[in-house]
Amino acid sequence: QQPVQSPQAVILREGEDAVINCSSSKALYSVHWYRQKHGEAPVFLMILLKGGEQKGHEKISASFNEKKQQSSLYLTASQLSYSGTYFCGTVRGAGSYQLTFGKGTKLSVIP
Amino acid sequence: SAVISQKPSRDICQRGTSLTIQCQVDSQVTMMFWYRQQPGQSLTLIATANQGSEATYESGFVIDKFPISRPNLTFSTLTVSNMSPEDSSIYLCSALSGPTFSQFFGPGTRLTVL
Repeated sequence: QQPVQSPQAVILREGEDAVINCSSSKALYSVHWYRQKHGEAPVFLMILLKGGEQKGHEKISASFNEKKQQSSLYLTASQLSYSGTYFCGTVRGAGSYQLTFGKGTKLSVIP
Repeated sequence: SAVISQKPSRDICQRGTSLTIQCQVDSQVTMMFWYRQQPGQSLTLIATANQGSEATYESGFVIDKFPISRPNLTFSTLTVSNMSPEDSSIYLCSALSGPTFSQFFGPGTRLTVL
């Protein structure tokens, strides 16, 4: 079951904040967030496990609400380097590591 | 985090031929995976490459079309067999690494089938 990401695309000016959401119709064990720039491989950002804890570093953080089966990625004070497509990947069960990816959110940061 | 390399980085092939893509990890890893990504689209899992046993394929993917080998804990190959233009895509391998079993990706192989 593919997770649903929203919004599909967003344009920000440098310094603005953004939230990207990822929701599933099935229970989740973990959520993984990636950023992919054009022509490059997806880059791992963070993983969130069951427990609802918020993780992150510097200006990119994320939360995972297992009861609501959704995760959110928070980008604060955006920089030009944040531009790219953000994917969430979900894992449904403990001991399973196969990722099911959402369709992605294209983020463009402009000066 | 694991550092992953793939060969070739890109190739243009003729219909009906086969291409083998290699994936090398800089450290021993428990699990490796193969994904396909159409340009501008999301990633779709093809199979899990199991060391010492047959790969586990996702729905819609079969061993005859995408045979996979995993001879040791740092290396895997994916073959795209009897190719058609519909197989044109980016193929990426990934590996689990670290205490939280995060998944890291190789740079991908861009395949064009004429």
